[in-house]
Amino acid sequence: DAGITQSPRHKVTETGTPVTLRCHQTENHRYMYWYRQDPGHGLRLIHYSYGVKDTDKGEVSDGYSVSRSKTEDFLLTLESATSSQTSVYFCAISGDRASPYNEQFFGPGTRLTVL
Amino acid sequence: AQSVSQHNHHVILSEAASLELGCNYSYGGTVNLFWYVQYPGQHLQLLLKYFSGDPLVKGIKGFEAEFIKSKFSFNLRKPSVQWSDTAEYFCAVNDPGTASKLTFGTGTRLQVTL
Repeated sequence: DAGITQSPRHKVTETGTPVTLRCHQTENHRYMYWYRQDPGHGLRLIHYSYGVKDTDKGEVSDGYSVSRSKTEDFLLTLESATSSQTSVYFCAISGDRASPYNEQFFGPGTRLTVL
Repeated sequence: AQSVSQHNHHVILSEAASLELGCNYSYGGTVNLFWYVQYPGQHLQLLLKYFSGDPLVKGIKGFEAEFIKSKFSFNLRKPSVQWSDTAEYFCAVNDPGTASKLTFGTGTRLQVTL
């Protein structure tokens, strides 16, 4: 398995509180992604990064922000969590320097519950 | 924007039955195509991928997929499923505007009975 860890793995929080999820990679891959997985929707891209301090929005970015200050870390922040953000969040990485078209490798996921 | 359709939402098969899961995408240009599998409680793992060349792609665990450009399809097949193939299967296509991004289908849940 690719060296990707996510923390925390499980979190329960209350509506209105800020939440930060962390993705850490040891593969030195250029691209990092945050997805959410919900029944009937598959995986939907929230934000992605194509380098340190270079990020862009995905299809469901409202209510989320990201930061990437180091190659190995990609943080996802919910500024004020809502119940609609209850989901499983997956981090993914791809693209060594030789080819940006490699498949994406996924982390173990974070199950977030917003009460 | 790219879209991906997986028409089978839930498939139930007996062991040794043959499997075919449909995947259609919307973009007509050059695409890269992927099938991922998610076993219960686990993260997504790559089954196979198509970038170019032979449209019949073989992946891990006996799975294969055929890219048919004229039909915008990339169907997943396996001649004889096993109970251990019980999982959710996702088709994905790279975004033509930004090669690094993937668009996923909604997934097909496969249940294999003994």
